[in-house]
Amino acid sequence: AQSVTQPDIHITVSEGASLELRCNYSYGATPYLFWYVQSPGQGLQLLLKYFSGDTLVQGIKGFEAEFKRSQSSFNLRKPSVHWSDAAEYFCAVVTFSGNTPLVFGKGTRLSVIA
Amino acid sequence: DTAVSQTPKYLVTQMGNDKSIKCEQNLGHDTMYWYKQDSKKFLKIMFSYNNKELIINETVPNRFSPKSPDKAHLNLHINSLELGDSAVYFCASTHGGPQAPGYTFGSGTRLTVV
Repeated sequence: AQSVTQPDIHITVSEGASLELRCNYSYGATPYLFWYVQSPGQGLQLLLKYFSGDTLVQGIKGFEAEFKRSQSSFNLRKPSVHWSDAAEYFCAVVTFSGNTPLVFGKGTRLSVIA
Repeated sequence: DTAVSQTPKYLVTQMGNDKSIKCEQNLGHDTMYWYKQDSKKFLKIMFSYNNKELIINETVPNRFSPKSPDKAHLNLHINSLELGDSAVYFCASTHGGPQAPGYTFGSGTRLTVV
Protein backbone atom coordinates (compact mmCIF):
# COMPACT_ATOMS: atom_id res chain seq x y z
CA ALA A 1 0.00 0.00 0.00
CA GLN A 2 1.16 3.49 -0.69
CA SER A 3 2.30 5.73 2.14
CA VAL A 4 3.57 9.25 2.58
CA THR A 5 6.15 10.52 5.03
CA GLN A 6 6.61 14.12 5.98
CA PRO A 7 9.68 14.04 8.21
CA ASP A 8 9.26 17.51 9.68
CA ILE A 9 6.41 18.01 12.11
CA HIS A 10 7.04 21.72 12.60
CA ILE A 11 9.22 24.21 10.75
CA THR A 12 9.83 27.86 11.61
CA VAL A 13 11.19 30.27 9.03
CA SER A 14 11.71 34.00 8.92
CA GLU A 15 9.56 36.08 6.63
CA GLY A 16 11.36 36.50 3.33
CA ALA A 17 13.45 33.38 3.78
CA SER A 18 13.24 30.40 1.46
CA LEU A 19 11.27 27.31 2.37
CA GLU A 20 11.49 23.62 1.58
CA LEU A 21 9.03 21.08 2.99
CA ARG A 22 9.98 17.46 2.55
CA CYS A 23 7.78 14.64 1.35
CA ASN A 24 8.72 11.04 0.63
CA TYR A 25 6.33 8.45 -0.74
CA SER A 26 6.30 4.71 -0.90
CA TYR A 27 4.67 3.22 -3.98
CA GLY A 28 5.83 0.80 -6.66
CA ALA A 29 4.66 2.68 -9.73
CA THR A 30 4.63 6.37 -10.52
CA PRO A 31 2.07 7.92 -8.25
CA TYR A 32 0.00 11.03 -8.53
CA LEU A 33 1.32 13.50 -5.96
CA PHE A 34 -0.31 16.49 -4.35
CA TRP A 35 0.40 19.27 -1.91
CA TYR A 36 -2.44 20.80 0.07
CA VAL A 37 -2.43 23.69 2.53
CA GLN A 38 -4.75 24.12 5.49
CA SER A 39 -4.93 27.47 7.24
CA PRO A 40 -6.12 27.45 10.86
CA GLY A 41 -9.79 26.54 11.05
CA GLN A 42 -10.05 26.21 7.29
CA GLY A 43 -10.46 23.44 4.74
CA LEU A 44 -7.90 21.99 2.37
CA GLN A 45 -6.67 24.02 -0.57
CA LEU A 46 -4.77 22.40 -3.42
CA LEU A 47 -1.39 24.04 -4.01
CA LEU A 48 -0.17 21.87 -6.86
CA LYS A 49 -0.16 18.35 -8.24
CA TYR A 50 2.10 16.11 -10.30
CA PHE A 51 0.83 13.50 -12.71
CA SER A 52 3.50 13.12 -15.39
CA GLY A 53 5.80 15.11 -17.62
CA ASP A 54 7.92 17.95 -16.33
CA THR A 55 9.14 17.02 -12.88
CA LEU A 56 9.10 20.63 -11.68
CA VAL A 57 5.54 21.67 -11.00
CA GLN A 58 4.37 25.23 -10.45
CA GLY A 59 1.47 25.90 -8.12
CA ILE A 60 -0.49 28.72 -6.63
CA LYS A 61 0.82 31.32 -4.19
CA GLY A 62 4.35 31.08 -5.59
CA PHE A 63 4.91 27.45 -4.57
CA GLU A 64 6.64 24.82 -6.65
CA ALA A 65 7.50 21.18 -6.12
CA GLU A 66 9.96 18.82 -7.74
CA PHE A 67 9.32 15.13 -8.32
CA LYS A 68 12.47 13.03 -7.94
CA ARG A 69 11.79 9.40 -8.76
CA SER A 70 15.23 8.24 -7.64
CA GLN A 71 14.63 9.65 -4.18
CA SER A 72 10.88 8.94 -4.03
CA SER A 73 10.45 12.56 -3.06
CA PHE A 74 8.16 15.44 -3.89
CA ASN A 75 9.46 18.41 -1.92
CA LEU A 76 7.62 21.69 -1.80
CA ARG A 77 9.54 24.95 -2.15
CA LYS A 78 8.98 28.66 -2.04
CA PRO A 79 11.75 31.22 -2.59
CA SER A 80 10.41 33.86 -0.21
CA VAL A 81 7.92 33.09 2.54
CA HIS A 82 5.19 35.53 3.54
CA TRP A 83 3.60 35.69 6.99
CA SER A 84 0.32 34.52 5.42
CA ASP A 85 1.97 31.23 4.46
CA ALA A 86 1.81 30.08 8.09
CA ALA A 87 -0.39 26.99 7.94
CA GLU A 88 -0.38 23.19 7.92
CA TYR A 89 0.93 21.59 4.75
CA PHE A 90 -0.01 18.11 3.61
CA CYS A 91 1.59 15.93 0.99
CA ALA A 92 -0.68 13.25 -0.51
CA VAL A 93 -0.38 10.36 -2.94
CA VAL A 94 -2.81 8.29 -4.96
CA THR A 95 -2.51 5.41 -7.37
CA PHE A 96 -3.27 5.66 -11.06
CA SER A 97 -6.77 4.28 -10.91
CA GLY A 98 -8.47 7.55 -10.11
CA ASN A 99 -11.14 6.25 -7.78
CA THR A 100 -8.85 5.47 -4.90
CA PRO A 101 -8.67 7.90 -2.00
CA LEU A 102 -5.79 10.22 -1.37
CA VAL A 103 -3.36 8.99 1.26
CA PHE A 104 -2.02 11.89 3.30
CA GLY A 105 1.18 12.45 5.18
CA LYS A 106 0.89 13.61 8.76
CA GLY A 107 1.48 17.21 7.81
CA THR A 108 4.10 19.86 8.49
CA ARG A 109 3.16 22.94 10.47
CA LEU A 110 4.83 26.07 9.16
CA SER A 111 5.36 29.03 11.45
CA VAL A 112 6.61 32.33 10.05
CA ILE A 113 8.43 34.84 12.25
CA ALA A 114 9.19 38.46 11.56
CA ASP B 1 -21.81 27.80 -6.53
CA THR B 2 -19.72 25.97 -3.95
CA ALA B 3 -18.23 22.80 -5.45
CA VAL B 4 -18.36 20.55 -2.35
CA SER B 5 -20.53 21.78 0.47
CA GLN B 6 -20.87 20.31 3.93
CA THR B 7 -23.44 21.06 6.58
CA PRO B 8 -23.25 21.90 9.34
CA LYS B 9 -19.89 23.64 9.65
CA TYR B 10 -19.89 23.24 13.42
CA LEU B 11 -21.68 20.64 15.52
CA VAL B 12 -21.59 20.46 19.30
CA THR B 13 -23.48 17.60 20.89
CA GLN B 14 -23.60 15.44 23.98
CA MET B 15 -22.28 11.92 24.34
CA GLY B 16 -24.78 9.29 23.35
CA ASN B 17 -26.60 11.44 20.81
CA ASP B 18 -27.08 10.58 17.14
CA LYS B 19 -26.10 13.15 14.53
CA SER B 20 -25.74 13.48 10.78
CA ILE B 21 -23.41 15.45 8.54
CA LYS B 22 -24.42 16.16 4.96
CA CYS B 23 -22.27 16.56 1.88
CA GLU B 24 -23.22 17.62 -1.63
CA GLN B 25 -21.09 18.16 -4.72
CA ASN B 26 -22.14 19.91 -7.92
CA LEU B 27 -19.10 18.90 -9.95
CA GLY B 28 -20.58 15.83 -11.59
CA HIS B 29 -17.99 13.65 -9.86
CA ASP B 30 -18.82 9.99 -9.43
CA THR B 31 -16.74 9.19 -6.36
CA MET B 32 -17.11 10.72 -2.91
CA TYR B 33 -15.20 10.26 0.34
CA TRP B 34 -15.34 10.96 4.03
CA TYR B 35 -12.11 11.76 5.86
CA LYS B 36 -11.56 12.25 9.58
CA GLN B 37 -8.97 14.74 10.81
CA ASP B 38 -8.00 14.11 14.40
CA SER B 39 -6.59 16.52 16.96
CA LYS B 40 -3.09 15.94 15.61
CA LYS B 41 -4.24 17.02 12.15
CA PHE B 42 -3.88 13.53 10.68
CA LEU B 43 -6.27 12.95 7.77
CA LYS B 44 -7.55 9.40 7.51
CA ILE B 45 -9.92 7.96 4.95
CA MET B 46 -13.14 6.56 6.40
CA PHE B 47 -15.41 5.71 3.46
CA SER B 48 -15.48 5.90 -0.29
CA TYR B 49 -18.53 5.70 -2.53
CA ASN B 50 -18.61 5.33 -6.29
CA ASN B 51 -21.92 5.96 -8.04
CA LYS B 52 -23.80 5.41 -4.78
CA GLU B 53 -22.00 2.15 -4.00
CA LEU B 54 -19.67 1.67 -1.05
CA ILE B 55 -16.20 0.74 -2.30
CA ILE B 56 -14.00 1.47 0.69
CA ASN B 57 -14.86 1.04 4.33
CA GLU B 58 -11.83 1.44 6.54
CA THR B 59 -11.81 0.16 10.10
CA VAL B 60 -14.47 2.53 11.32
CA PRO B 61 -16.85 1.65 14.18
CA ASN B 62 -20.28 0.43 13.15
CA ARG B 63 -21.73 3.53 14.78
CA PHE B 64 -20.69 5.37 11.62
CA SER B 65 -22.99 4.75 8.68
CA PRO B 66 -22.57 6.53 5.37
CA LYS B 67 -25.49 6.92 2.99
CA SER B 68 -25.46 8.00 -0.62
CA PRO B 69 -28.95 8.68 -1.99
CA ASP B 70 -27.46 9.71 -5.34
CA LYS B 71 -23.98 10.27 -6.68
CA ALA B 72 -24.05 13.96 -5.77
CA HIS B 73 -24.70 13.35 -2.08
CA LEU B 74 -22.86 11.46 0.64
CA ASN B 75 -24.12 11.80 4.18
CA LEU B 76 -22.55 10.52 7.37
CA HIS B 77 -24.70 9.39 10.27
CA ILE B 78 -23.12 8.73 13.64
CA ASN B 79 -24.93 6.85 16.40
CA SER B 80 -24.18 6.94 20.11
CA LEU B 81 -21.55 9.63 19.85
CA GLU B 82 -18.43 9.26 21.98
CA LEU B 83 -15.84 11.78 23.12
CA GLY B 84 -13.31 10.25 20.75
CA ASP B 85 -15.50 11.11 17.78
CA SER B 86 -14.60 14.76 18.24
CA ALA B 87 -12.74 15.71 15.08
CA VAL B 88 -13.07 17.59 11.82
CA TYR B 89 -14.78 15.57 9.13
CA PHE B 90 -14.05 16.36 5.50
CA CYS B 91 -16.04 15.33 2.49
CA ALA B 92 -14.29 15.08 -0.88
CA SER B 93 -15.12 14.11 -4.42
CA THR B 94 -13.27 13.11 -7.54
CA HIS B 95 -13.86 11.97 -11.07
CA GLY B 96 -12.65 8.50 -11.92
CA GLY B 97 -11.72 6.90 -15.17
CA PRO B 98 -8.46 6.99 -17.10
CA GLN B 99 -7.96 10.72 -16.90
CA ALA B 100 -5.89 12.21 -14.15
CA PRO B 101 -7.81 12.45 -10.86
CA GLY B 102 -8.79 15.75 -9.35
CA TYR B 103 -9.90 15.88 -5.74
CA THR B 104 -12.06 18.62 -4.30
CA PHE B 105 -12.62 18.95 -0.57
CA GLY B 106 -15.40 20.51 1.40
CA SER B 107 -14.62 23.05 4.10
CA GLY B 108 -15.07 20.53 6.88
CA THR B 109 -17.44 19.91 9.79
CA ARG B 110 -16.00 20.40 13.24
CA LEU B 111 -17.72 17.92 15.56
CA THR B 112 -17.33 18.40 19.29
CA VAL B 113 -18.75 15.78 21.62
CA VAL B 114 -19.13 16.90 25.24
